[in-house]
Amino acid sequence: DIQMTQSPSAMSASVGDRVTITCRASQDISNYLAWFQQKPGKVPKRLIYAASILQSGVPSRFSGSGSGTEFTLTIGSLQPEDFATYYCLQHNSYPFTFGQGTRLEIK
Amino acid sequence: EVQLVESGGGMVQPGRSLRLACTASGFTFGDYTMGWVRQAPGKGLEWVAFIRSKAYGGTTEYAASVKGRFTMSRDDSKTIAYLQMNSLKTEDTAVYYCTRVTLLAPDYWGQGTLVTVSS
Repeated sequence: DIQMTQSPSAMSASVGDRVTITCRASQDISNYLAWFQQKPGKVPKRLIYAASILQSGVPSRFSGSGSGTEFTLTIGSLQPEDFATYYCLQHNSYPFTFGQGTRLEIK
Repeated sequence: EVQLVESGGGMVQPGRSLRLACTASGFTFGDYTMGWVRQAPGKGLEWVAFIRSKAYGGTTEYAASVKGRFTMSRDDSKTIAYLQMNSLKTEDTAVYYCTRVTLLAPDYWGQGTLVTVSS
């Protein structure tokens, strides 16, 4: 199975900060990577698919990049509503696998 | 508006069975791959299963942790996806989310149904 390792596992940041979360795959997954946001007690929401394509309706401060084994999710200027847990998902080969999550907290 | 509503969760003893249902509306159900993702209490997301549309053979894929115990199926006439869970273990305790899948990744998610496996 492909292992997905996110870093950091948790971080704190301030409103207005630029934040980057990394996801590394244990083998080449091309661009078959999606990013999800989950707020406490809420359903996950897809932000990015195909590594860099922004889901319709998602603010443009979110961006994704990468291919192969290393990927990043960047939030250009943190807003109060962005404090949440973020997950990557590889969908290159079965079984699909999520990263362990990155909890983004307010500093 | 896309809606996915899960049902069938509850408390069950280890070794017993449970069937979850996901009733879909707001899109042409038969055209889409459907899936299940679960989340144990206080833990991260775990991909569980997919079922392709009939156009792609209606075939299924499973996580290693559930393969041989869980079976996903679909009834396109009723717009329902099912997850039959047999030989349940305590580690199957989780909120189970039904998802629609586009470009191989979940896009819409239901609100989830809690399955608790405990003696």
